[in-house]
Amino acid sequence: AQSVTQPDIHITVSEGASLELRCNYSYGATPYLFWYVQSPGQGLQLLLKYFSGDTLVQGIKGFEAEFKRSQSSFNLRKPSVHWSDAAEYFCADYDSWGKLQFGAGTQVVVTP
Amino acid sequence: SAVISQKPSRDICQRGTSLTIQCQVDSQVTMMFWYRQQPGQSLTLIATANQGSEATYESGFVIDKFPISRPNLTFSTLTVSNMSPEDSSIYLCSVERQGRDGYTFGSGTRLTVV
Repeated sequence: AQSVTQPDIHITVSEGASLELRCNYSYGATPYLFWYVQSPGQGLQLLLKYFSGDTLVQGIKGFEAEFKRSQSSFNLRKPSVHWSDAAEYFCADYDSWGKLQFGAGTQVVVTP
Repeated sequence: SAVISQKPSRDICQRGTSLTIQCQVDSQVTMMFWYRQQPGQSLTLIATANQGSEATYESGFVIDKFPISRPNLTFSTLTVSNMSPEDSSIYLCSVERQGRDGYTFGSGTRLTVV
């Protein structure tokens, strides 16, 4: 069954600095990959998704992610973080039964 | 995408009691999904609710503990039964966006069992 792993539990970044969150997926013929963000006390919001085509996908809030099949990765990036980007970020994919499964999440803390 | 209203947004309950969480969608959807997010943890799928049939539960979750109703294509409830402090979590309702485009989530129910 397909699954995703997020190696980093917690990341601290300075405001204005770049951010990269890692996500690795296990083998799957056609990965459907997603990044969600959960701000404190909020539900989940979809940032971006990848199904096929261009491997660099643009999302909302200035985020982008790059799909690399050779590395089984789908890392999320933002060139310059804002204090409002402090949140929990989840990578997700569809499992063999078409249900969305989530990685463990990465907590992002933004310092002044 | 669909708009999901979930209530209550939070509750504090006594152990041994039950709480029913409601999820209302502004459009008709075939499947609705219920997730649990324990403190500091990721989301775990509890069950899939289909209209007109029994819910399908994931490994580790049973109907007696988490009974689900799905009376029509826009509404579902999840009941957390005979609660214990270990049930303290955020419970989220979700629906699939069109074309396998991921899920849309409600704002969640933050449950604390004391």
